[in-house]
Amino acid sequence: NAGVTQTPKFQVLKTGQSMTLQCAQDMNHEYMSWYRQDPGMGLRLIHYSVGAGITDQGEVPNGYNVSRSTTEDFPLRLLSAAPSQTSVYFCASRPLLEGEQFFGPGTRLTVL
Amino acid sequence: GENVEQHPSTLSVQEGDSAVIKCTYSDSASNYFPWYKQELGKRPQLIIDIRSNVGEKKDQRIAVTLNKTAKHFSLHITETQPEDSAVYFCAASLWQDSSYKLIFGSGTRLLVRP
Repeated sequence: NAGVTQTPKFQVLKTGQSMTLQCAQDMNHEYMSWYRQDPGMGLRLIHYSVGAGITDQGEVPNGYNVSRSTTEDFPLRLLSAAPSQTSVYFCASRPLLEGEQFFGPGTRLTVL
Repeated sequence: GENVEQHPSTLSVQEGDSAVIKCTYSDSASNYFPWYKQELGKRPQLIIDIRSNVGEKKDQRIAVTLNKTAKHFSLHITETQPEDSAVYFCAASLWQDSSYKLIFGSGTRLLVRP
């Protein structure tokens, strides 16, 4: 099993550009989520999904969209990138009711 | 919503000493408390977790304690080794209204001096 995978590993954007961060898991986990990690602020929940077709907002959802058309994939879209969105983004998945949450390797995003 | 506070933000110990990291949470309905270790440039990885029906759990040199009344939980690392140097995150979660959120503390950078 590949576990949780993310692409790209690194990305540089200009202010106002849009892009999609990809996330996939092959563990058949119902629950998937996106976090951003900034120095001194830990991991903050952006959006999460409890299954295909169901998404909800986390702590810091503004400026980000998500969709969940399949169990495996959970892309994160930045509609109009801003310098405040410079961060490391982690995707994660886990079984819905019980079990360990696994993280992807992360995407380091810089917005100029 | 849930809020998790973690202390200290940095901790330096001598190899062989013990290290203790403390977290408090706000939502009394939270029932699952994992701890993650993140090495430099790597993804967070689960090292130990505890559920609200248990007061303490141990796994070799690491242990976690939970005080539901005070709404705080702690990570204890004994006989620390240089490879324990990393950032440690606590988290709290609850399953409520068909929704599940895992909220993290701000992290503790642990340095073990040889």
